[in-house]
Order: sequence, then structure tokens, then C-alpha cells
Amino acid sequence: QKEVEQNSGPLSVPEGAIASLNCTYSDRGSQSFFWYRQYSGKSPELIMFIYSNGDKEDGRFTAQLNKASQYVSLLIRDSQPSDSATYLCAGISNDYKLSFGAGTTVTVRA
Amino acid sequence: GAGVSQTPSNKVTEKGKYVELRCDPISGHTALYWYRQSLGQGPEFLIYFQGTGAADDSGLPNDRFFAVRPEGSVSTLKIQRTERGDSAVYLCASSPHGGGNSPLHFGNGTRLTVT
Repeated sequence: QKEVEQNSGPLSVPEGAIASLNCTYSDRGSQSFFWYRQYSGKSPELIMFIYSNGDKEDGRFTAQLNKASQYVSLLIRDSQPSDSATYLCAGISNDYKLSFGAGTTVTVRA
Repeated sequence: GAGVSQTPSNKVTEKGKYVELRCDPISGHTALYWYRQSLGQGPEFLIYFQGTGAADDSGLPNDRFFAVRPEGSVSTLKIQRTERGDSAVYLCASSPHGGGNSPLHFGNGTRLTVT
């Protein structure tokens, strides 16, 4: 079992809709979680991180963490065509080691 | 530059050859990571440096892979006797101190193709 699992894509949403991305993790010792956005042919770019249970909002993005269920999610509100990318969920264990999921590809239809 | 710099951006080599991939982290970042990403997959951890020392090299696939960071800044990933299965994008990342709340900043990667 991979340390971090993401819901399989691809995910296609119309412009203006909410895109919902989910991620589960197996290591209960994981402390912090990160969402990276990766455009095709480019390197991962950090968009959100969360380490406390609950919600964290930053602009159109909301990250949610539930440590009891070992579940992390990312909501993208008012989705734009420029949000079309692969979104990578990652968790930190041992205080330094970032483990990534396989990514979910999102396409926002204009 | 302000970001993580990786060279070369692309490298094509023949099976059996030796290659070196270079990473120049953000100035002052003590933590440096190497990851490998294959098509359609997330980045896979290879090795983590804290300063000059390799604190965790558990992700290196076999003894053909080796990495150094002699002065605690620039790092070089070395691959001996390359195989076609080594073809991937090799990503370098750095962070200020490598702690749990210290996000990684990635370079643009080196795309390695072994023919």
C-alpha cells in the first residue's frame, strides 16, 4: 500500500464549479500535508499546506484535514481554465520525508 | 536566481553510460532532496541531505545511484551504468530546514532519457 493515495482521475468540471480532490494516508505519524499543483512539463508548485485538523482557506482554495480518518482534501471554488493541472497530495513523516500520491488531473471546461 | 536551479534540463544518454545531474538549491536552505518522477506518477523520494550529510538515502533504487553535497550547497546525483528504466524526470527540492512545516521548493527538473 502506498503511503499516500489519491482518488483516481481525471476530474473534469465546468468553469465556475467546485473541484473536490481527496487523499488518504496510511502513516498515522504524518504531521503535515501539502497540496502541490503541477502543470504539464513543469515542476510541482506548492499551493496549500495544513497541519491542524479542520479547514484552512486561502483564496479560492480550501484544504481540509481529518487525522482520525487519515483524510485530506482540497476544494477549488469558482474553478478557472487556468486551474487545469495535476494536483499532488503529499504528507510528511519522520519530520522531513515528503511522500506523494500519484496525482489527480483536473480539467476545467470553459 | 531566487529558485532551485537544475542542470541540465534535458539529458539523453546511451545505456551503460555514466551521468551527473546537478542541483543548486535556494541560498541558505539546509535541507535538499532528490526525487524521481515517471510519467503519470507522483514524485518518488530518493535521498535527503541535511547540510553536507545524507540523512536518508533509503529511496535510492540500487548502488548505481549515488549523491553528494560536499559543501552543504550544490548537490550532484550520479548514476552509473544507466539503464532504460532510469529514464524519468529527476527533481531536486530544497527547504529552509527540512522540518514538518517547512515546504519544499522544487527545481524544474532534469529529464533523463536512456536510449
